[in-house]
Amino acid sequence: DAGVIQSPRHEVTEMGQEVTLRCKPISGHDYLFWYRQTMMRGLELLIYFNNNVPIDDSGMPEDRFSAKMPNASFSTLKIQPSEPRDSAVYFCASSLPEYQETQYFGPGTRLLVL
Amino acid sequence: SQKIEQNSEALNIQEGKTATLTCNYTNYSPAYLQWYRQDPGRGPVFLLLIRENEKEKRKERLKVTFDTTLKQSLFHITASQPADSATYLCALDRGGNNRKLIWGLGTSLAVNP
Repeated sequence: DAGVIQSPRHEVTEMGQEVTLRCKPISGHDYLFWYRQTMMRGLELLIYFNNNVPIDDSGMPEDRFSAKMPNASFSTLKIQPSEPRDSAVYFCASSLPEYQETQYFGPGTRLLVL
Repeated sequence: SQKIEQNSEALNIQEGKTATLTCNYTNYSPAYLQWYRQDPGRGPVFLLLIRENEKEKRKERLKVTFDTTLKQSLFHITASQPADSATYLCALDRGGNNRKLIWGLGTSLAVNP
């Protein structure tokens, strides 16, 4: 399997612009997670899905962030409007349905908002 | 709320020595704890999982211990190699059916040849 695929790998945008990050989980994985990583706060879970349904979005910072999973092989994380403090590395991860199952991470999207 | 503390300072050791990394948590005992490795510019990669009823878990040169009394997990790399240089993250579950993990900030390990 190709692993978790994320695009773009790097994104530079100006404050106020809309940013869309994309993720393709590993085939057969029922869970999909969106994380944000910064030096100060480490890895923070933003939202996770089970069978395309959002289960826990308590980590989504504010209404500027939204995530969708229209089917089992695709998810998006959208920031609108973007702000400089959104600059971070955003990871997508997926896992199998069994409890305690480990998470498989994508390579991440490095976002810089100017 | 649950908090996790890992060695904040980078760990530098000589090749061949054993590296020991610490993960302390402050609140409830998790049902399980996971260790991941992260290289620069890459996503974390799973290494080991240990459950609350397990004291120790091994995988090749890696060993993890879990002490629910001390609220601590230790991660050991024996016969360390320069290729082991990376950041190591521990993550705890929140219990119940929630799949959310709480992550430490990670400890940077440098193995010098």
